[in-house]
Amino acid sequence: DAGVTQTPRHEVAEKGQTIILKCEPVSGHNDLFWYRQTKIQGLELLSYFRSKSLMEDGGAFKDRFKAEMLNSSFSTLKIQPTEPKDSAVYLCASSPGRGAEQFFGPGTRLTVL
Amino acid sequence: GEQVEQRPPHLSVREGDSAFITCTYTDPNSYYFFWYKQEPGASLQLLMKVFSSTEINEGQGFTVLLNKKDKRLSLNLTAAHPGDSAAYFCAVRAGNYAQGLTFGLGTRVSVFP
Repeated sequence: DAGVTQTPRHEVAEKGQTIILKCEPVSGHNDLFWYRQTKIQGLELLSYFRSKSLMEDGGAFKDRFKAEMLNSSFSTLKIQPTEPKDSAVYLCASSPGRGAEQFFGPGTRLTVL
Repeated sequence: GEQVEQRPPHLSVREGDSAFITCTYTDPNSYYFFWYKQEPGASLQLLMKVFSSTEINEGQGFTVLLNKKDKRLSLNLTAAHPGDSAAYFCAVRAGNYAQGLTFGLGTRVSVFP
């Protein structure tokens, strides 16, 4: 079975650009999560979808970060406009739901110049 | 909201010795507990999932302890070997699974010969 896939694996953007990160969850999983990972802040939740409905939208990230789940097998995270402080690894995870564990994708490393 | 404190941030142990990592959490409604391992350059890999009802859980080469009274979750790597060198993250989730995971900041473990 395919795990969580994320594209691109690396992204370099200029300050002020719009970037879109993509995620395909494990087939059949109901829950999808976006996290940001930095050395200072660790793993921070950006968005949480359950059956395509947005359940949680990280308060600190609302203004420039927008996650969408257009169908059950595809999600995007848009950052607009990007700032250098957005440089981080963005992880997508999916889960069958309820108390099940989350399966993480390989991540997208974003560098904003 | 939930807050998770993980200690120590770094741990260096000799091969064959034990490595002990502790997380404390604040939300008494937390019900699901996870330990993830992240090797350099890789994504997060589930080590163990712990339910609220179980205090001691044993895996291959490690033991997880849950103390709900003290709101403490611990990971003990027994007889550490070089393959255990990685970052370890605890994660906590409320029983109503209305939120995503709240992670500790991680512990970087180095096992030397």
